[in-house]
Amino acid sequence: GEKVEQHESTLSVREGDSAVINCTYTDTASSYFPWYKQEAGKGLHFVIDIRSNVDRKQSQRLIVLLDKKAKRFSLHITATQPEDSAIYFCAATSSGQKLVFGQGTILKVYL
Amino acid sequence: GALVYQYPRRTICKSGTSMRMECQAVGFQATSVAWYRQSPQKTFELIALSTVNSAIKYEQNFTQEKFPISHPNLSFSSMTVLNAYLEDRGLYLCGARDGGLGNTLYFGEGSRLIVV
Repeated sequence: GEKVEQHESTLSVREGDSAVINCTYTDTASSYFPWYKQEAGKGLHFVIDIRSNVDRKQSQRLIVLLDKKAKRFSLHITATQPEDSAIYFCAATSSGQKLVFGQGTILKVYL
Repeated sequence: GALVYQYPRRTICKSGTSMRMECQAVGFQATSVAWYRQSPQKTFELIALSTVNSAIKYEQNFTQEKFPISHPNLSFSSMTVLNAYLEDRGLYLCGARDGGLGNTLYFGEGSRLIVV
């Protein structure tokens, strides 16, 4: 079955800099890749997603890139702010039903 | 926008007792609901997927006998953890999908189960 690896377990960036979180997946049939943010003691908050028919998607300060050949996708947060600090999870699915999550990246934005 | 409410947020239960949790979709019709458990180590396990008008599909290691789920309409689902033990600890997350909005799964804040 699908396996998703999230490469950075923790990431510290200065406020205003960019943060990049990388994920790889194994199932070539995966076609949908969402990202979620989890703040301490809270649930999963959907932030952005990308489908396999495109290789780039942007929503304000968030950019998602997808490289289907390398089976890799990444989340870029530009102009980071302290409130971006959280755990970020990538996920992948081929069916649109069962999401397989990465292990999570703790992002810390410091002043 | 799409909102998912989960209740209760946190329960402490004695080993061997049961806990029921509820999931409400607001602002959209939840054509499918996925129940996940997040371990204390933050990893996720899919427990079951419930699609309206289809049988509930449980993942390996999870059974209806232990985690009975009800999905009676397009806005509500509930799941019970029967005979909870230490290994059932975690954050139970309900993810609801709006069939009209593509594949996006919207999650609630979760129901945390603490077993003592």
